[in-house]
Amino acid sequence: SQTIHQWPATLVQPVGSPLSLECTVEGTSNPNLYWYRQAAGRGLQLLFYSVGIGQISSEVPQNLSASRPQDRQFILSSKKLLLSDSGFYLCAGTTGGNYGYTFGSGTRLTVV
Amino acid sequence: QKEVEQNSGPLSVPEGAIASLNCTYSDRGSQSFFWYRQYSGKSPELIMFIYSNGDKEDGRFTAQLNKASQYVSLLIRDSQPSDSATYLCAWEGYGGSQGNLIFGKGTKLSVKP
Repeated sequence: SQTIHQWPATLVQPVGSPLSLECTVEGTSNPNLYWYRQAAGRGLQLLFYSVGIGQISSEVPQNLSASRPQDRQFILSSKKLLLSDSGFYLCAGTTGGNYGYTFGSGTRLTVV
Repeated sequence: QKEVEQNSGPLSVPEGAIASLNCTYSDRGSQSFFWYRQYSGKSPELIMFIYSNGDKEDGRFTAQLNKASQYVSLLIRDSQPSDSATYLCAWEGYGGSQGNLIFGKGTKLSVKP
């Protein structure tokens, strides 16, 4: 079965600082990988998805970027954080066979 | 705009009752539907998926899909306080978005002892 690892669990960063969140996958090869953000009291917003190494699709234009340097590694980055970047960031991967996503445990980011 | 609409709640039911959660979607091309449970401060976890019209049962959970009316529902029988959570419905995109899930904003369920 697939396991999604995310870290850190919580992060407090000042406005204008850089960001790097990492997600790694265990148990599956060549998964589709996703970054979602969930703002307080709101739904899941798809930020980026990747179907393979170096392949990134952006769903929402913003100051965030994503990279997939290895098959089982997905990274979310920002050069300068905004207050509006605060939220709960979730990495997800497909389990294959149309069985939905497996989510990582998430990173709660607070930009101050 | 492809959307999933859910009543945000909160939905409050007494322990032992049936909780009924509903979701409507905008795109008739949708084929696969999912229900996730999210406890406060935690990540979503998959509890049910359904592809065919009709009912699908798994323990105390029953998912119902009606493609003609474009709605999907989740029934929780014998509700327990541990079922208190936010329930997210999602459908899978197709074509260029195949594999991408589109989520509703979730319905918050509270089961009172």
